[in-house]
Amino acid sequence: ETGVTQTPRHLVMGMTNKKSLKCEQHLGHNAMYWYKQSAKKPLELMFVYNFKEQTENNSVPSRFSPECPNSSHLFLHLHTLQPEDSALYLCASSPGQDKNIQYFGAGTRLSVL
Amino acid sequence: GQNIDQPTEMTATEGAIVQINCTYQTSGFNGLFWYQQHAGEAPTFLSYNVLDGLEEKGRFSSFLSRSKGYSYLLLKELQMKDSASYLCAVRRDYKLSFGAGTTVTVRA
Repeated sequence: ETGVTQTPRHLVMGMTNKKSLKCEQHLGHNAMYWYKQSAKKPLELMFVYNFKEQTENNSVPSRFSPECPNSSHLFLHLHTLQPEDSALYLCASSPGQDKNIQYFGAGTRLSVL
Repeated sequence: GQNIDQPTEMTATEGAIVQINCTYQTSGFNGLFWYQQHAGEAPTFLSYNVLDGLEEKGRFSSFLSRSKGYSYLLLKELQMKDSASYLCAVRRDYKLSFGAGTTVTVRA
């Protein structure tokens, strides 16, 4: 248990669906991150939030829309996804965006049909 | 550039030692992390190096040479539960860039 919880663990959606991924951290951290992990590829940073403010959007397509209502919760809203968006989506948190260790959730395995 | 290179796969025998190398572009370097990720689970933090030298933590050690853009993770007295993917990550500014991971298989 890393203190970072992601739901759902698995998600199958069609290209016209709208769904949301949720991340919650119980570590008192102020920075939260979304990463995409595709098979045999490095983790790709998608978004960074620090004290609820977005500080990084790594050229992510607009069909991915993040939301950070408070420092403990992070969402990733999905709409009109493509099959190539199928991947493991990982959430992480750290004490601050310039502070050392990032703690990861177990991820949401997303399949887009 | 942000190229972070590590071997794709390694296999070793239970009780043995395995060394996983990681090379990276040195520009903007501000720390190197190693994470372990079992299939279907969260990556978990193993070690952090920001200065040259060896950091030891039980059976796991990590080494850094900043001038060479080189690190390794050393796993000693391998156990079956050490079968996992090992991720090398370099911090530049406040962002982490990851290698593709090294899958280590421990055989009895």
